[in-house]
Amino acid sequence: GESVGLHLPTLSVQEGDNSIINCAYSNSASDYFIWYKQESGKGPQFIIDIRSNMDKRQGQRVTVLLNKTVKHLSLQIAATQPGDSAVYFCAETTGTYKYIFGTGTRLKVLA
Amino acid sequence: EAGVTQFPSHSVIEKGQTVTLRCDPISGHDNLYWYRRVMGKEIKFLLHFVKESKQDESGMPNNRFLAERTGGTYSTLKVQPAELEDSGVYFCASSQGVGETQYFGPGTRLLVL
Repeated sequence: GESVGLHLPTLSVQEGDNSIINCAYSNSASDYFIWYKQESGKGPQFIIDIRSNMDKRQGQRVTVLLNKTVKHLSLQIAATQPGDSAVYFCAETTGTYKYIFGTGTRLKVLA
Repeated sequence: EAGVTQFPSHSVIEKGQTVTLRCDPISGHDNLYWYRRVMGKEIKFLLHFVKESKQDESGMPNNRFLAERTGGTYSTLKVQPAELEDSGVYFCASSQGVGETQYFGPGTRLLVL
């Protein structure tokens, strides 16, 4: 697959448990952050975003937390399901168009 | 509403050949972006169009890459001549406004032999 050669950290979670995926971002001036989910053979799919004037945002089964002090972003998935298995990317931008992506985390949901 | 589409989904070519990738953004999105992920690396920005104008092509690796967006609708990315290191996945994304969420296409997987 396209992730061969890209040594992704992997998170293995039991089905039904909560997942927490972490991301350290690089630019303290970044003011917009996005989480994407990429399934095998597909493009990055938007999950949730957050602007720097917030520290928490919730969606359906997902929550993003932003800690600007330590430049840390996390994605929490509640009641993880098999369909959540994918690679998750965080992206940051300084309010412009140029997204800077992290290396990604592979989430494996165990039955 | 149709999402971003890309063609072809896969392309295998020999070194020195030419390949043209196509991207159709979400209807009404003036902003179109090209990104790529080469083996073992992160997804990296290549360039940005607003309508038919190139706003930023600072991520284009070299002059073997040419992107166009005639008429401000679909865009093409041509690699000529292709080299081995061009292998990777090329993603297109679009957004309604600058600074708004970018929606990605499925990508074109390019393999240069």
